[in-house]
Amino acid sequence: EDQVTQSPEALRLQEGESSSLNCSYTVSGLRGLFWYRQDPGKGPEFLFTLYSAGEEKEKERLKATLTKKESFLHITAPKPEDSATYLCAVLSGGRNDMRFGAGTRLTVKP
Amino acid sequence: DTGVSQDPRHKITKRGQNVTFRCDPISEHNRLYWYRQTLGQGPEFLTYFQNEAQLEKSRLLSDRFSAERPKGSFSTLEIQRTEQGDSAMYLCASSPNLVQYFGPGTRLTVT
Repeated sequence: EDQVTQSPEALRLQEGESSSLNCSYTVSGLRGLFWYRQDPGKGPEFLFTLYSAGEEKEKERLKATLTKKESFLHITAPKPEDSATYLCAVLSGGRNDMRFGAGTRLTVKP
Repeated sequence: DTGVSQDPRHKITKRGQNVTFRCDPISEHNRLYWYRQTLGQGPEFLTYFQNEAQLEKSRLLSDRFSAERPKGSFSTLEIQRTEQGDSAMYLCASSPNLVQYFGPGTRLTVT
């Protein structure tokens, strides 16, 4: 069965303090790995899709990378507005349902 | 920019009552999904439509839950005889391919 584990559960950073969030996964035939941002009381907002090991995507202060077992979301010089829960999800071969991790709750203090 | 919309945004109901939620997907998306999310957890898949056909249902979807997507446009999710354990955020997503775009969700509280 597909499994997604995110760590840490919560992360507190000072503004400008770079760090990384981890998403470990086991799937039978990865079709895609997805990163979403979710603000309290709102639906997840799509950030990135990664399809194969070695792939990287960037958007502003965020950079996502993928290996055969895990993905990292690197946050460079974060700002308070980056505070949110970051969700990782996988889609495996022959399936239509994404399997989500529990998320990492990021707080960036000014 | 018209994204996925859901109605209502909040619903409070008493145990045993029936509730119905509506989802309007992005107009050109033929795939539609329902998820449920509880506090501190990621969304859990409930069901999937391609156009008007319901192609997949999770084991989480008990007999009290039913979903429809008439004419392949909007979708409804009905919960009959609600229980306190049904309290959660119900999320709808639509997709033209692999990437799923989520709506704001409906927060259900069963008292």
